[in-house]
Amino acid sequence: AQSVTQLDSQVPVFEEAPVELRCNYSSSVSVYLFWYVQYPNQGLQLLLKYLSGSTLVESINGFEAEFNKSQTSFHLRKPSVHISDTAEYFCAVSVEGSNYKLTFGKGTLLTVNP
Amino acid sequence: DTGVSQDPRHKITKRGQNVTFRCDPISEHNRLYWYRQTLGQGPEFLTYFQNEAQLEKSRLLSDRFSAERPKGSFSTLEIQRTEQGDSAMYLCASSLSIYEQYFGPGTRLTVT
Repeated sequence: AQSVTQLDSQVPVFEEAPVELRCNYSSSVSVYLFWYVQYPNQGLQLLLKYLSGSTLVESINGFEAEFNKSQTSFHLRKPSVHISDTAEYFCAVSVEGSNYKLTFGKGTLLTVNP
Repeated sequence: DTGVSQDPRHKITKRGQNVTFRCDPISEHNRLYWYRQTLGQGPEFLTYFQNEAQLEKSRLLSDRFSAERPKGSFSTLEIQRTEQGDSAMYLCASSLSIYEQYFGPGTRLTVT
């Protein structure tokens, strides 16, 4: 069975600073990887996904994540955060043969301070 | 189409009562998932439907839980004889492809 570990439960940063949210996964088969974001009092929204091909994937709001197969990681980065990026971020994995259900990490609360 | 909707958004019930939640997926999405999220945890998979067929149930889904998706449209999740441990956010997601799930806002259940 697959699992996801998000190494930091909370990450406080100042506005315009860079940030990295770490995610490691374990799986014996090929995986699809996702980052979801949950703003306060809202549902989960897909931020970006890795399916195949280029290991670097980007979102429309400046986030990027890099799939590293040898390190089984899919860390999320942003070079300069805004106050509006304050949210909970979840890393998730799905695999073939599992009905593509998502297995989530525990989440990382990103708090951007002025 | 405004996305996945769930009803009610909040439910407070007394221990031992039955509750039912509804999920309306995005139209034409044939895949539907239920997840449960407790405080400080990520969502955990409960069950999966493809059209009207329930194809997978998690071990988390005890005998008190039942889910349906009649005619492959909306879905309901019923919890019988609720317990305090059932307090959680219940999330529904739908998808058309295997690569992307769209989540509803969730139903927050509080069992007193």
